[in-house]
Amino acid sequence: QQPVQSPQAVILREGEDAVINCSSSKALYSVHWYRQKHGEAPVFLMILLKGGEQKGHDKISASFNEKKQQSSLYLTASQLSYSGTYFCGTGQNRDDKIIFGKGTRLHILP
Amino acid sequence: KAGVTQTPRYLIKTRGQQVTLSCSPISGHRSVSWYQQTPGQGLQFLFEYFSETQRNKGNFPGRFSGRQFSNSRSEMNVSTLELGDSALYLCASSGRGSFNEKLFFGSGTQLSVL
Repeated sequence: QQPVQSPQAVILREGEDAVINCSSSKALYSVHWYRQKHGEAPVFLMILLKGGEQKGHDKISASFNEKKQQSSLYLTASQLSYSGTYFCGTGQNRDDKIIFGKGTRLHILP
Repeated sequence: KAGVTQTPRYLIKTRGQQVTLSCSPISGHRSVSWYQQTPGQGLQFLFEYFSETQRNKGNFPGRFSGRQFSNSRSEMNVSTLELGDSALYLCASSGRGSFNEKLFFGSGTQLSVL
């Protein structure tokens, strides 16, 4: 079951904050976040395991609410380099394949 | 450390033909997953191999198949190509083969079916 990401696309000015949501209709064990720039391979951002933990590095963080089967990716004080398509991937148990959503396109304007 | 290498980078085929794509994972990685990426559909999971065994399979027709060799290199084959198979095919490797670890993606093979 493919997770649903929202919004589909967002345009921000440099320095503004963004939130990207990922939700699933099934119970989740893990949520994965990747960013893909145009013409490049997806690059790993972070993994969250069930337990409602929050992770982050620099100005990018994420939360995982296993009860609601939702995760959110937070980008604060966005930089031009944050532009790209963000994908969330979900796994239902520790041995499950990762299913990715359709992605959220983020464009940062100077 | 070399990254994930996919060859060829671009392919143009006609309907009805078959195609083989190759993926060399990062040295020491034993798991290779394949994804199909099309505009608006995100990354669709094809299958995953670990130690030469297919562990997981997505919802693609039997025309899509794969295999993994003893050196962890993997190939994906699509027979009887259809126009809808035009896509970017990405492979990703991981070390221990746990689905809860980081995936390293290759740059992909762009397949165009005419």
